[in-house]
Amino acid sequence: KQEVTQIPAALSVPEGENLVLNCSFTDSAIYNLQWFRQDPGKGLTSLLLIQSSQREQTSGRLNASLDKSSGRSTLYIAASQPGDSATYLCAASNFGNEKLTFGTGTRLTIIP
Amino acid sequence: NAGVTQTPKFQVLKTGQSMTLQCAQDMNHNSMYWYRQDPGMGLRLIYYSASEGTTDKGEVPNGYNVSRLNKREFSLRLESAAPSQTSVYFCASSRGGISGANVLTFGAGSRLTVL
Repeated sequence: KQEVTQIPAALSVPEGENLVLNCSFTDSAIYNLQWFRQDPGKGLTSLLLIQSSQREQTSGRLNASLDKSSGRSTLYIAASQPGDSATYLCAASNFGNEKLTFGTGTRLTIIP
Repeated sequence: NAGVTQTPKFQVLKTGQSMTLQCAQDMNHNSMYWYRQDPGMGLRLIYYSASEGTTDKGEVPNGYNVSRLNKREFSLRLESAAPSQTSVYFCASSRGGISGANVLTFGAGSRLTVL
């Protein structure tokens, strides 16, 4: 059974710094790895999806990487801003979305 | 763009009462999903519908039923609510299939408390 772990559970970083969020998964036979953002009291917003054949995806200040052999994905946020404060969740899919396993998230706080 | 709309946003029930959570999407997506989110446990899939007319159990289906009313709507019903069903419920949709590029779009969530 796929297990997804995100450590640390919470992270505080001064504004302007670059940062990396970590995601580990146990089963390397994944179809894709997705990163989501969740603001307090809101639903999840998809940030990036990396297909199993890809090594990374970029969107603006965000870059997500995937290393299936080591069972790791990272989300890199450049030049952090207070508006980046949110909980970031990763999810690994072993088939379609019906086999999507979520991590418990990293709560990120950017300090102005 | 409405995306995925869930109702109600908040609901308080007494043990044994029943209720239905409604979900509708306007993106012509084939697949729809119901998740629950509990502190420290991540999101867990309750039921999903890969296409209109089909539904399947997810990881935690006990105590729930679903109906895919048409391509747009997917409802979740609690027949006899229990305190263990206190949670935040999310509906989501996606284009569907086993393509690697199958982005999920989520609703804003429904917070349910069972007393």
